[in-house]
Amino acid sequence: EVQLVESGGGLVQPGGSLRLSCAASGFTFSSYWMSWVRQAPGKGLEWVANIKQDGSEKYYVDSVKGRFTISRDNAKNSLYLQMNSLRAEDTAVYYCARDRGELEGDRYYYYMDVWGKGTTVTVSS
Amino acid sequence: SSELTQDPAVSVALGQTVRITCQGDSLRSYYASWYQQKPGQAPVLVIYGKNNRPSGIPDRFSGSSSGNTASLTITGAQAEDEADYYCNSRDTVFGTGTKVTVL
Repeated sequence: EVQLVESGGGLVQPGGSLRLSCAASGFTFSSYWMSWVRQAPGKGLEWVANIKQDGSEKYYVDSVKGRFTISRDNAKNSLYLQMNSLRAEDTAVYYCARDRGELEGDRYYYYMDVWGKGTTVTVSS
Repeated sequence: SSELTQDPAVSVALGQTVRITCQGDSLRSYYASWYQQKPGQAPVLVIYGKNNRPSGIPDRFSGSSSGNTASLTITGAQAEDEADYYCNSRDTVFGTGTKVTVL
């Protein structure tokens, strides 16, 4: 069964750090881009970061640049998100997701076809 | 602009058809993907590409695109379709979300 399982969430004070993990199983992890997506309480989905198969390319939403670092260990089938200098506005459920991208006709399309159940991060004093 | 705009909420009578729209400049170049999210659950992919459904998604869900607008249509809505729906473009931009209520 294709599966993603997040862990590492919790309560942290503003300015603190947290490292999220995502364990992948049931597919060849090293063949896919991977993303982190978050959802603040009562709000919509927000893409946070993604990483290429070999880790050579990484992209971030502006609000986390310089504070969050996405990484992966293909030998361990694991994705990570190191979060530093945390703020109250980083409070959210964090999901990891498998990225796909294809070309159909003259248009590209991208989608996230496998999602974990999420891990909750609360930034509060 | 990289934003994707959706109507905040729509309602549909049981068994009727509802269309959810998503507007944004990026949709002129990229097909949208659509996600269903029920309370307390992770998002689920329902439509991707021109009009593709993942395995297990009922065929009452369909997608289309014209200009800067992508649409998700539910034909014959069921009670279990009541959820939030999000569009996505280029993988890095989500729409604002539409809450679908089935009456």
